[in-house]
Amino acid sequence: QVQLVESGGGVVQPGRSLRLSCAASGFTFSNYGMHWVRQAPGKGLEWVVVIWYDGSNKYYADSVKGRFTISRDNSKNTLYLQMNSLRAEDTAVYYCARDTDNGVIDYWGQGTLVTVSS
Amino acid sequence: DIQMTQSPSSLSASVGDRVTITCRASQGISNDLAWFQQKPGKAPKSLIYAASSLQSGVPSKFSGSRSGTDFTLTISSLQPEDFATYYCQQYNSYPRTFGQGTKVEIK
Repeated sequence: QVQLVESGGGVVQPGRSLRLSCAASGFTFSNYGMHWVRQAPGKGLEWVVVIWYDGSNKYYADSVKGRFTISRDNSKNTLYLQMNSLRAEDTAVYYCARDTDNGVIDYWGQGTLVTVSS
Repeated sequence: DIQMTQSPSSLSASVGDRVTITCRASQGISNDLAWFQQKPGKAPKSLIYAASSLQSGVPSKFSGSRSGTDFTLTISSLQPEDFATYYCQQYNSYPRTFGQGTKVEIK
């Protein structure tokens, strides 16, 4: 069965960096695009970024453009989110999610909490 | 960016009720609309894609429809496990955008 397991969350000071990982199993990872979606405490869902199945294209939300970088290692079945220059407003649960070949999200991970605070 | 506006933001309903949630896109998105269910403390779950197609394993009490730029999620007979927050999302263009959510509570 499809499994997506995020890790790497924690408490970090403003301006610092953090890298999230999403380990995929139960499907051929290299055939699927992948998203990061976040949810601030008590708020709705916010789309963050997508990477195509082969890493050839990436699209970012304006709120993170220039600060966050998505990447993937298809040999390790792992998705990454490098988050730099973190701000208090980046505090959220970060979910990775699988994308079908026509843009539909079908599976979600359980999420990892990132707290940006001094 | 395409704005997705959900209504209502919350509703109270009883077990067995028929519930309808609406999502309006700020511009045409064809049928590129998905619905997700989220329970407190849990990850979202995918319910519907392409406006009206059920994801695998989703019960048929959930249905979706489209009229122009208005989209509807209907739960035919609300059950205790359906009390949750529901989100729409457009995937017609980037950035992907979600509606603000509709919380379905027990009356």
